[in-house]
Amino acid sequence: EAAVTQSPRNKVAVTGGKVTLSCNQTNNHNNMYWYRQDTGHGLRLIHYSYGAGSTEKGDIPDGYKASRPSQENFSLILELATPSQTSVYFCASGAGTYEQYFGPGTRLTVL
Amino acid sequence: QQQVRQSPQSLTVWEGETAILNCSYEDSTFDYFPWYHQFPGESPALLIAIRPVSNKKEDGRFTIFFNKREKKFSLHIADSQPGDSATYFCAARRTGNYKYVFGAGTRLKVIA
Repeated sequence: EAAVTQSPRNKVAVTGGKVTLSCNQTNNHNNMYWYRQDTGHGLRLIHYSYGAGSTEKGDIPDGYKASRPSQENFSLILELATPSQTSVYFCASGAGTYEQYFGPGTRLTVL
Repeated sequence: QQQVRQSPQSLTVWEGETAILNCSYEDSTFDYFPWYHQFPGESPALLIAIRPVSNKKEDGRFTIFFNKREKKFSLHIADSQPGDSATYFCAARRTGNYKYVFGAGTRLKVIA
């Protein structure tokens, strides 16, 4: 079964601070995704990647950057965190077939 | 803009009834339609999915009905059980890339 891990699982940050959320997958999947989940909005795609060195903007990329330094790792970076970025963030991976495998999520609170 | 619309927002059914969750879309380039479920405190997990070449997909008590002409698809959960209580998300993926668009979710509660 696909294994996707995220760190940290919980994070409290201050407004204006830099936050990095990390994701690791051990199944050699090409595609990786970052979503945020908010009540009433479902899952919204922030950034995604087709492989090492590639990042693509999703539907709500403003205020976020992404980095894919290797096949296994995909990071989401908030350079200047704002309270509106308080949310639960999910990383997911997929092999180009149809299923996505989600990580356990990171709960981010920006004060 | 909401590219995948999901209804109802919440649904309560009695144990043994069939729960029906609905989704619609506008973009004709979507070619894959999965349903995910998410239990409290957990991450979403794939439940069942369909491609537009079919108008029905069954997996045990879970069935997707797909209407390409009307751009609608629904999830039917037969013989609902309290353990089915969760939030269900429909999604769609475009031909040619691997971007997914999710509906806002339906919170299902099954009462024993």
